[in-house]
Amino acid sequence: SQTIHQWPATLVQPVGSPLSLECTVEGTSNPNLYWYRQAAGRGLQLLFYSVGIGQISSEVPQNLSASRPQDRQFILSSKKLLLSDSGFYLCAWSGGQLVPEAFFGQGTRLTVV
Amino acid sequence: SQQGEEDPQALSIQEGENATMNCSYKTSINNLQWYRQNSGRGLVHLILIRSNEREKHSGRLRVTLDTSKKSSSLLITASRAADTASYFCATDASTNAGKSTFGDGTTLTVKP
Repeated sequence: SQTIHQWPATLVQPVGSPLSLECTVEGTSNPNLYWYRQAAGRGLQLLFYSVGIGQISSEVPQNLSASRPQDRQFILSSKKLLLSDSGFYLCAWSGGQLVPEAFFGQGTRLTVV
Repeated sequence: SQQGEEDPQALSIQEGENATMNCSYKTSINNLQWYRQNSGRGLVHLILIRSNEREKHSGRLRVTLDTSKKSSSLLITASRAADTASYFCATDASTNAGKSTFGDGTTLTVKP
């Protein structure tokens, strides 16, 4: 069966520090991968999605970047965090158009101080 | 901009009652999905309904889709305290296939 791992669960980082959140998927190949951010009490904002290795689409201009160095690995990064980067980050995968259901990791609560 | 918008924003009911949540969207879609999120956790996929379907069932869940009104509803029958969570609809637009857009959700509280 397929599983998705996202870590860490919580993170407190100072302003100006770098960020690296990692997400890996097991049990499937060539998944579509997504990074979302969720503000408190709100829905999910799509940040990045990827349909293959090295193929990243950015949905909103921001202080963040994403990379997909391997088929089932998706990394969210920042060189210098801002206070406004605080939030709940969720990684997800889907099978694309034919299997559009998304399966989510447990999320990372990021607090920038 | 949000494609799907849920209504109501919050819903509080007694255990055993039915809960109905609605979702409206703006553009043509390939499918619509409903997800559940417990506080501070990831989302769990509940049910997917495709644009050529009108109704689907899964256990105590019933989803309807009216493409002419661009709306969907999620009905949870015989609710339980464990159903307390936030529920989100997500739409997969015809012009944006593979990228679901989420609404802000309905927070459901089921009182024992």
